[in-house]
Amino acid sequence: AQTVTQSQPEMSVQEAETVTLSCTYDTSESDYYLFWYKQPPSRQMILVIRQEAYKQQNATENRFSVNFQKAAKSFSLKISDSQLGDAAMYFCAYLTGANNLFFGTGTRLTVIP
Amino acid sequence: DVKVTQSSRYLVKRTGEKVFLECVQDMDHENMFWYRQDPGLGLRLIYFSYDVKMKEKGDIPEGYSVSREKKERFSLILESASTNQTSMYLCASSLGTSYYGYTFGSGTRLTVV
Repeated sequence: AQTVTQSQPEMSVQEAETVTLSCTYDTSESDYYLFWYKQPPSRQMILVIRQEAYKQQNATENRFSVNFQKAAKSFSLKISDSQLGDAAMYFCAYLTGANNLFFGTGTRLTVIP
Repeated sequence: DVKVTQSSRYLVKRTGEKVFLECVQDMDHENMFWYRQDPGLGLRLIYFSYDVKMKEKGDIPEGYSVSREKKERFSLILESASTNQTSMYLCASSLGTSYYGYTFGSGTRLTVV
């Protein structure tokens, strides 16, 4: 069975600084997809970034990038130049072979002005 | 620009009531999902559907049922609501392979008293 672990229940970052949210997972599959979702106070889950496991290159979307270490089963999210609007819950998720997204327990990010 | 709509943002029901949570998507997605979100537990899959009139149990289906009579609509039913079903319920949809992730609704916060 797949597991997704987010070991940081809460994180904080100064505005304009960089923060990294960690995520590890366990799987026996060789090809899979990983995602980071953001959930602001509005509750709308927003897709931040996705990574295809067979691709070596780390995904990047503007200020958001990932550090994907397949052998270590690690998938961390780096947010550069943090903004107040980045404050949210962040969820790491793994797409199972059965086509279901399996989520971690989330990290609450606070951005300090 | 609304793509996944959940009929209620907040809902208060009494113990033993039959509760219907409705979800409609306008993206012609094949797959639809119901999750519940609880603090410290992340999102847990209740039921999902890959096609009209099809349904599959997720990780925590006990106490719930679903209905998918039309492609765009996926209903979650609490046959006899209990206080331990007080939670945030999130509906989502995706294309057939889900490789691009899910699109979520804004959630229904259900309180059972």
